Amino acid sequence: AQTVTQSQPEMSVQEAETVTLSCTYDTSENNYYLFWYKQPPSRQMILVIRQEAYKQQNATENRFSVNFQKAAKSFSLKISDSQLGDTAMYFCAFARGSNYKLTFGKGTLLTVNP
Amino acid sequence: DVKVTQSSRYLVKRTGEKVFLECVQDMDHENMFWYRQDPGLGLRLIYFSYDVKMKEKGDIPEGYSVSREKKERFSLILESASTNQTSMYLCASSLITTGGGETQYFGPGTRLLVL
Repeated sequence: AQTVTQSQPEMSVQEAETVTLSCTYDTSENNYYLFWYKQPPSRQMILVIRQEAYKQQNATENRFSVNFQKAAKSFSLKISDSQLGDTAMYFCAFARGSNYKLTFGKGTLLTVNP
Repeated sequence: DVKVTQSSRYLVKRTGEKVFLECVQDMDHENMFWYRQDPGLGLRLIYFSYDVKMKEKGDIPEGYSVSREKKERFSLILESASTNQTSMYLCASSLITTGGGETQYFGPGTRLLVL
């Protein structure tokens, strides 16, 4: 069974600074997908970024980028120029290549301070 | 934009009541999911459905059942609510593709309190 570990239950960052959220996973699969989802306070969970394991290039979406280290089974999220609206719970998630079910980590609560 | 809606944002029920949580998506997605979210535990999959009338158990199906009579609607049923089912319930949907790994789109959640 796959497991996803987020070792930082809470983090905080000052507005405009950069922060990195950690995620490690355990799998014997070679074909899989990794995701970061964001859940703002009292709002819907939305996808931040998605990485296909067979792609070596790290995914980026505007201020959000990942550091995907396949051999180390690490998938960290970097948020640049943090904004107050980035305050949210962030979940790392894993899906096997042919499977639609997601395995989630326990989440990291990120607070961006003015 | 994909829209996933859930019938209630907040529900208060009594122990032993039968509870229905409804989820509707408007993007013709084949897959629909029910998760339970608890502090410090993340999201845990209760059930998912990949087609009308088709379902599979997730990681924590005990005490729950589901129904999918129409493609756009997926219901979660608590046959006899118990206090340990007090939680946030999230519905999600996604497409089926040959490669897998499709993005899941989430509803706003239903916060259920069982007294």
